[in-house]
Amino acid sequence: QQQVKQSPQSLIVQKGGISIINCAYENTAFDYFPWYQQFPGKGPALLIAIRPDVSEKKEGRFTISFNKSAKQFSLHIMDSQPGDSATYFCAASRTGNQFYFGTGTSLTVIP
Amino acid sequence: GAVVSQHPSRVICKSGTSVKIECRSLDFQATTMFWYRQFPKKSLMLMATSNEGSKATYEQGVEKDKFLINHASLTLSTLTVTSAHPEDSSFYICSANPGTIQETQYFGPGTRLLVL
Repeated sequence: QQQVKQSPQSLIVQKGGISIINCAYENTAFDYFPWYQQFPGKGPALLIAIRPDVSEKKEGRFTISFNKSAKQFSLHIMDSQPGDSATYFCAASRTGNQFYFGTGTSLTVIP
Repeated sequence: GAVVSQHPSRVICKSGTSVKIECRSLDFQATTMFWYRQFPKKSLMLMATSNEGSKATYEQGVEKDKFLINHASLTLSTLTVTSAHPEDSSFYICSANPGTIQETQYFGPGTRLLVL
């Protein structure tokens, strides 16, 4: 059973465009929602994370939008750059417990 | 940010041999470390949760006698793949939780295992 559903599986965006990746979860007990960026052959790196007490969090070009009632959250990458090309994973957890990861989105930013 | 290292980064071994992978938290103490397996272009599959000073908790379907985990200190956890076979070839990644309010997991760079 997939605790966190992620879409799209792959995404191609022009340089300067906005990349949007969506995730949905079922367990209302989840209270921590991070996004990770992974380059080929490397471990995932924490990008940005949010807790359900806020609806949006922004760090530089990266923004998480969180909709508690819909049990959805999304990652927006503004002014996408070729260096952003990577695989992105969303995750959800209940504090002190294991992380549940989405299936990943392969992002390609075309120059 | 918090740094987690893994050693080795790549290992090639013959079928039937055992391989040990080390995971270290370099600038923080981690009471909990996690071991994941990742297949090409796939998500991370949690194998086990490693707690310092106690036995690891394995996910369903993961053979604990095959994948031995030892969390000997607050900065070191090891995964030993015993009697490795070609189907064990994969990318193994560890992560560590600093135990702060943020409850974030920091990942190591991964270990590529190839069993011939």
